[in-house]
Amino acid sequence: EVQLVESGGGLVQPGGSLRLSCGASGFSFRDYWMNWVRQAPGKGLEWVASIQQDESQEFYVDSVKGRFTTSRDNAKNSLYLQMNSLRVEDTAVYYCARGYYLIRGLAFDIWGQGTMVTVSS
Amino acid sequence: EIVMTQSPATLSVSPGDRATLSCRASQSVGSSLAWYQQRPGQAPRLLIYGASTRATTIPARFSGSGSGTEFTLTISSLQSEDFAVYSCQQYYHSSTFGQGTKLEIK
Repeated sequence: EVQLVESGGGLVQPGGSLRLSCGASGFSFRDYWMNWVRQAPGKGLEWVASIQQDESQEFYVDSVKGRFTTSRDNAKNSLYLQMNSLRVEDTAVYYCARGYYLIRGLAFDIWGQGTMVTVSS
Repeated sequence: EIVMTQSPATLSVSPGDRATLSCRASQSVGSSLAWYQQRPGQAPRLLIYGASTRATTIPARFSGSGSGTEFTLTISSLQSEDFAVYSCQQYYHSSTFGQGTKLEIK
């Protein structure tokens, strides 16, 4: 079964750090772009970051540039999101999603169940 | 940034009827448009990509159309499991989502 499982969410104070992990199974992880998408409570989806198969390219939404870093370990079938200098507005469910590479850009064809990150004092 | 605007915010439709959801881009995205379904408490599910291509295992009652800046998701003969939130995503330049349309039972 193709599956993504996130972990690492929790409550953190503003200015703090958190590292999310996403474990993949059921497919050849090293062959896919991988992504993070978040959803604030009661809000729509927001793409956060993408990383190429060999880590040669990373992309981020402007609001997290310089604060968040995504990485991957293809040997461990794992994706990571290091989040520093967290803000209240980063509060959201964070989803790991597999990238479905199309002629121009990525759709997201497999999603994890999400992990909640709450930034609050 | 390309802004995606979905309408209406909430759509009330009876089971068995047809639902038509709209998504507008602030500039042309060609056919680089995807639709997702999200049931309460669940992760999103890819329905449509390339504006009109159904993803694997998606029933034929889901169809997408449009190009440029105007897109439509049509669900014919609504089933109980179709009542959910639907979001569009452009992937022409970076990636942005619409705010979602909640499809509720009338």
